[in-house]
Amino acid sequence: DVKVTQSSRYLVKRTGEKVFLECVQDMDHENMFWYRQDPGLGLRLIYFSYDVKMKEKGDIPEGYSVSREKKERFSLILESASTNQTSMYLCASRLSSGANVLTFGAGSRLTVL
Amino acid sequence: GENVEQHPSTLSVQEGDSAVIKCTYSDSASNYFPWYKQELGKRPQLIIDIRSNVGEKKDQRIAVTLNKTAKHFSLHITETQPEDSAVYFCATPIIQGAQKLVFGQGTRLTINP
Repeated sequence: DVKVTQSSRYLVKRTGEKVFLECVQDMDHENMFWYRQDPGLGLRLIYFSYDVKMKEKGDIPEGYSVSREKKERFSLILESASTNQTSMYLCASRLSSGANVLTFGAGSRLTVL
Repeated sequence: GENVEQHPSTLSVQEGDSAVIKCTYSDSASNYFPWYKQELGKRPQLIIDIRSNVGEKKDQRIAVTLNKTAKHFSLHITETQPEDSAVYFCATPIIQGAQKLVFGQGTRLTINP
């Protein structure tokens, strides 16, 4: 079974803090994604990476950046957290763009005060 | 860009009855249509998917139908059981580039005993 592990299930941060959300997958998947989940809005893509050091903006990249220095790890960075970034963040991975099945992590619920 | 509309946002059915959730999409080049289920407090998981070369696919009590002309696809759950209570998401890929998945807004399905 592919495992996608998100390091923090729950975080509470203050406005203006820098926040790192870490995601690690153990099955040599090429593609990795960060989604944000909000009620009534579904899953919205923030950023994705199709290979090491490669990244592309998703639908809502503003206020976020990412890092993919190693194949197994994809980090989401909030340079200066704001209250409107309070949300559930889901990481996902898949083998390649030809294999569309996503495997999700358990999620990181971030609260920004 | 690709737009996926999912309806209804909430659905409540009696145990044993059927449930239908519908999604419409905008990109006629879309060729893959998955459905994900997210139980309370858990990660989304793929439950069924269909490719554009077939009109229907069934797996026990769940089925997905596709109408390419009308650009919509639906999830059908028959003989619903309490464990079917969850949030369901449809999705479809953006074909350009690295094929990212665009998700619908989600449907919260409640099965009443």
